[in-house]
Amino acid sequence: NAGVTQTPKFQVLKTGQSMTLQCAQDMNHNSMYWYRQDPGMGLRLIYYSASEGTTDKGEVPNGYNVSRLNKREFSLRLESAAPSQTSVYFCASGLRASTDTQYFGPGTRLTVL
Amino acid sequence: GESVGLHLPTLSVQEGDNSIINCAYSNSASDYFIWYKQESGKGPQFIIDIRSNMDKRQGQRVTVLLNKTVKHLSLQIAATQPGDSAVYFCAENIRKTSYDKVIFGPGTSLSVIP
Repeated sequence: NAGVTQTPKFQVLKTGQSMTLQCAQDMNHNSMYWYRQDPGMGLRLIYYSASEGTTDKGEVPNGYNVSRLNKREFSLRLESAAPSQTSVYFCASGLRASTDTQYFGPGTRLTVL
Repeated sequence: GESVGLHLPTLSVQEGDNSIINCAYSNSASDYFIWYKQESGKGPQFIIDIRSNMDKRQGQRVTVLLNKTVKHLSLQIAATQPGDSAVYFCAENIRKTSYDKVIFGPGTSLSVIP
């Protein structure tokens, strides 16, 4: 099993450009999550999907959209990137939407100039 | 407000010694706590968890202690090894109306001195 995979590993964007971060898991997990990690801020939840077909906002959803394409895949889209979105983005998955261990991908390091 | 914080941002220990990483949380409604380890350039990796109805849980070389009275969580690593060098995050699970919110602390960087 590959676990949770993310693409790309690195990305540099100019302000105003758009891009989609891809995430896939092969553990048959129901729930999937997108976090951003900034220095000294820990991990903050952007969006989550408790099950296939549902998505909900987390703590910092502004400027992002998500799609739960199927049970395996959960993508994060930046429609108009801003320098404040420079961060490391982690996708995670878990069996249930609550009180369950989350398994993280390797991350995408995004820089917005 | 809600917060999960760590008392020490960095910790250096001698190889073979025991390590203790501390975490304070502020929400008494939290019912589940997790410790994650994050190595450089990688995503967080689950180490151990504990539910609020327990005060101690042991794993392989790791022990988590929960003191709900003072809202304190600690991770103890026995016989610390160089491979234990990483950033350690505590996280708490808080029930919200629409989802269970997981709040991560800012992390403690553990350095093991050979």
